[in-house]
Amino acid sequence: EIVLTQSPATLSLSPGERATLSCRASQSINSYLAWYQQKPGQPPRLLIYDASNRASGIPDRFSGSGSGTDFTLTISSLEPEDFAVYYCQQRSNWPPLTFGGGTKVEIK
Amino acid sequence: QVQLVQSGAEVKKPGASVKISCEASGYTFTKYFIHWVRQGPGQGLEWVGIIDPSDGTRNFAQKFQGRVTMTRDTSASTVYMELSGLRFEDTAVYYCARVIGPTADFFEYWGPGTPVTVSS
Repeated sequence: EIVLTQSPATLSLSPGERATLSCRASQSINSYLAWYQQKPGQPPRLLIYDASNRASGIPDRFSGSGSGTDFTLTISSLEPEDFAVYYCQQRSNWPPLTFGGGTKVEIK
Repeated sequence: QVQLVQSGAEVKKPGASVKISCEASGYTFTKYFIHWVRQGPGQGLEWVGIIDPSDGTRNFAQKFQGRVTMTRDTSASTVYMELSGLRFEDTAVYYCARVIGPTADFFEYWGPGTPVTVSS
């Protein structure tokens, strides 16, 4: 089973700041990684798939990069609605599909 | 527009079974896999399994093998997930999710979630 480790667990930032979230895979997953945003009481929302492709309707302040085992989600300038929990997910080697443990982006 | 509508909240006793439905609309039902993902209280996301609506082929996470069943009704564009032998730790919100494309198991569309509470 591929383990995805997200860091940091919590990121405290102010609106307008840049957010950099990390996801590390226990073995190479090529570029088969997605990022999701989740707000309380809502299902996750797909932001990025195949490591760097923005999903439909996602603002361009969200970008993804990486391949192999190390991946990054960058939010270039945080908007108030971006404060949420972010998860990565791999589809390289499954079952099982696996998710990271999440990074909470909170207002500083 | 693509929509996934799930059945309502459930409260079950330990050892019981629960069956959740997920009705799809806005696209050709048989063309996209549907997965089930759960989230315990305050916890992260956990993959449960997948069903191919075109032929009913299924695959599950090993930890659920023997306890989970997934079926579909193509006439109703609906998939079902049944979990038996419920334990307290099965308390979670269960989501159905449709993949983004035929060969890409990332989840573009999600149902609103069905809360399942296991309580004695």
